[in-house]
Amino acid sequence: QQQVRQSPQSLTVWEGETAILNCSYEDSTFNYFPWYQQFPGEGPALLISIRSVSDKKEDGRFTIFFNKREKKLSLHITDSQPGDSATYFCAASVRNNAGAKLTFGGGTRLTVRP
Amino acid sequence: GPKVLQIPSHQIIDMGQMVTLNCDPVSNHLYFYWYKQILGQQMEFLVNFYNGKVMEKSKLFKDQFSVERPDGSYFTLKIQPTALEDSAVYFCASSLDWGEDTQYFGPGTRLLVL
Repeated sequence: QQQVRQSPQSLTVWEGETAILNCSYEDSTFNYFPWYQQFPGEGPALLISIRSVSDKKEDGRFTIFFNKREKKLSLHITDSQPGDSATYFCAASVRNNAGAKLTFGGGTRLTVRP
Repeated sequence: GPKVLQIPSHQIIDMGQMVTLNCDPVSNHLYFYWYKQILGQQMEFLVNFYNGKVMEKSKLFKDQFSVERPDGSYFTLKIQPTALEDSAVYFCASSLDWGEDTQYFGPGTRLLVL
């Protein structure tokens, strides 16, 4: 059973549109949710993150909306640019003394057409 | 941002051989991680490591796997002997502290076991 799920698997938007990437999770003990951006041939890079005490986190064109009751979150990318074309991973973790291992979703491949 | 390096970028070996994957983490980081990503699947946690010890490992971290960081040099993942199902991309990550959840990832080592 996948602990973290993402949808859609792939998404295409036009330049300037808002891309919406969805994520859901099973384990209610997860309390930290980073989104990673990955370009081909590179490792994932942290884009933006949110803790479960918040319901929204904004950083420039990137916004996370978090619904703890429904165990869902979404990443909104406004004014999408061709340079945003990448794979986006939603991840989740529980902070503990052993170190925050991340549980990843399957990713959403975003294509932004000029 | 902080860089994690991985050596080699690609490795092809015959089944049954030993392989060592090397990771050069961010210099002042204290926690180290390995993740495994099979082609087309999501990235999965293997192990984390702190103060010379494995803190937590997943069921994917088989007995044939071992990790170490001798004298503050490379953080290594050794597989001995390798099996066909070990073919995957292995990502190393590091973080400053268990309380600092930002994990910085390397570009990955693409391992192919024949």
